[in-house]
Amino acid sequence: GDSVTQMEGPVTLSEEAFLTINCTYTATGYPSLFWYVQYPGEGLQLLLKATKADDKGSNKGFEATYRKETTSFHLEKGSVQVSDSAVYFCALSSGSARQLTFGSGTQLTVLP
Amino acid sequence: EPEVTQTPSHQVTQMGQEVILRCVPISNHLYFYWYRQILGQKVEFLVSFYNNEISEKSEIFDDQFSVERPDGSNFTLKIRSTKLEDSAMYFCATSIRDFKETQYFGPGTRLLVL
Repeated sequence: GDSVTQMEGPVTLSEEAFLTINCTYTATGYPSLFWYVQYPGEGLQLLLKATKADDKGSNKGFEATYRKETTSFHLEKGSVQVSDSAVYFCALSSGSARQLTFGSGTQLTVLP
Repeated sequence: EPEVTQTPSHQVTQMGQEVILRCVPISNHLYFYWYRQILGQKVEFLVSFYNNEISEKSEIFDDQFSVERPDGSNFTLKIRSTKLEDSAMYFCATSIRDFKETQYFGPGTRLLVL
């Protein structure tokens, strides 16, 4: 079945550091790929998405590129802020109902 | 900005009791989902729902679970006889037009079965 493998956490960075969170996937067909973010006490919010190979999703300084050849969708940000502290989930959608399959989540803490 | 809401935010129940978790979708959304996250584990798909029918369901969604849209606004998940292992955060998600659209998540209901 479909699966998402996500970089183990937690990740702790200093403000303005470069962020990479690795995500690889296994899927049949042509899934769409997503990054969701969960701030403390809140639900999952869509951060960015890409629906086909070589698409780049971007939002709030975060970027991820859909790489079909390496089945990856790594999340990057050039300069993190304290407010980026959250749990980040990589996910893919597939199946007739496009249900989401999630990775295990990566806890990011950014220190001032 | 419109958002998905869920009630209650927390629920504690005794094993064997029935619980109903409620979700109010964004008003023009037509596709609905339930997911759950057991503490420390991945977010898992339970069921999808469209046009008053279940579209897909996972292996987790057994006969103890049911969903319905009783009044055209609420979308509910019922667990008939709760088990200890049902303790989890339950998320409702909705999308606007079809299953390819982005899913918007509610804040979740934390269920604790004692």
